[in-house]
Amino acid sequence: DQQVKQNSPSLSVQEGRISILNCDYTNSMFDYFLWYKKYPAEGPTFLISISSIKDKNEDGRFTVFLNKSAKHLSLHIVPSQPGDSAVYFCAGSNTGNQFYFGTGTSLTVIP
Amino acid sequence: NAGVTQTPKFRVLKTGQSMTLLCAQDMNHEYMYWYRQDPGMGLRLIHYSVGEGTTAKGEVPDGYNVSRLKKQNFLLGLESAAPSQTSVYFCASRRDMTANYGYTFGSGTRLTVV
Repeated sequence: DQQVKQNSPSLSVQEGRISILNCDYTNSMFDYFLWYKKYPAEGPTFLISISSIKDKNEDGRFTVFLNKSAKHLSLHIVPSQPGDSAVYFCAGSNTGNQFYFGTGTSLTVIP
Repeated sequence: NAGVTQTPKFRVLKTGQSMTLLCAQDMNHEYMYWYRQDPGMGLRLIHYSVGEGTTAKGEVPDGYNVSRLKKQNFLLGLESAAPSQTSVYFCASRRDMTANYGYTFGSGTRLTVV
């Protein structure tokens, strides 16, 4: 049973525009969330995190929003750049140790 | 600074053969993890370790064993490989629970069992 779901397998965005990647989770006990990006033939790279005591966390062009009542988080990338083209995974945990990952969203930023 | 290094990068096994995947990190991290990634599925945790000499089961531990004899190394063993274990395996490490929760991943081992 998938505890973290990324229902959009792919997303295309024009360079300079906003990319919004969505993630839903089913376990109400999750209190830590991570976003990773992955290029082909490489391991995932940590991008940004958020804990349940916050509803927003920013790091440069990347912002993660958490809506606990809806069990939903989203990653905003502004402005999007061609180098952002990758697969993005979200992950949640209720222990801070065992994280459950979504299936990923492939982002393509069109120059 | 190499980060997390996985050996080998590719391997083809016959059903029933055994092998060990090696993960080495040079960041003095306490926590280490083995994940597998299959098409259409997220990364799934196989086993993890919270320190030298400790191991624990993750979400999908069956068919695998692990050892953490040295802090910098985390070994994943397949005693009798099955086609269902065809996957891409990722090792990851993290300094501790109070870090920013981000893992450092290796570049993966692509294993095919025929």
